[in-house]
Amino acid sequence: QVQLQESGPGLVKPSQTLSLTCTVSGGSISSGSYYWSWIRQPAGKGLEWIGRIYTSGSTNYNPSLKSRVTISVDTSKNQFSLKLSSVTAADTAVYYCARFKPAYSPYFDYWGQGTLVTVSS
Amino acid sequence: EIVLTQSPGTLSLSPGERATLSCRASQSVSSSYLAWYQQKPGQAPRLLIYGASSRATGIPDRFSGSGSGTDFTLTISRLEPEDFAVYYCQQYGSSPLFGGGTKVEIK
Repeated sequence: QVQLQESGPGLVKPSQTLSLTCTVSGGSISSGSYYWSWIRQPAGKGLEWIGRIYTSGSTNYNPSLKSRVTISVDTSKNQFSLKLSSVTAADTAVYYCARFKPAYSPYFDYWGQGTLVTVSS
Repeated sequence: EIVLTQSPGTLSLSPGERATLSCRASQSVSSSYLAWYQQKPGQAPRLLIYGASSRATGIPDRFSGSGSGTDFTLTISRLEPEDFAVYYCQQYGSSPLFGGGTKVEIK
């Protein structure tokens, strides 16, 4: 059973860089043809896809966040990471990592439990 | 850019009743690329339906999905107490996109 677990600071100051890591267990991040994604959800609001990475290192980002987002992967540690620069209060949200299966009918099949990141001085 | 609009925003129903949730896309979406998720408070979303109508592993058959083009529906035939939650539709494109959600609450 694949499991994902987010980790990182729960509090980030405005204008700084938010950094989160997702550790994958129960399977190799390199096995299979999956995209590893970050999704966020402000309190009481809907889900926003941030971006994804393939184990080859190729990435796709949400155009609305592209200028501030970097997603990377470390296959030796079975982890992938998110960096979001120049954060503001609007970036306060629960951040989820998730596995995306790019099949004929694609979907997000495994999710982390989520981690709350608050942007505040 | 495709927009997914879910309606109603909130659905107030009693256990045992039928729930019909709508997801409308601003332009035609391939049925293969439409999924539904359930989210309970404090939890991550859980995949219910993919390809517009295929149930994910372990999902009870009271959940069904249908639709094509711009109009998609998630139906819960008889609400169980554990089904009261928020439901999101999602389409796969260059940027995966989620609808705004429908909350199914106990009447």
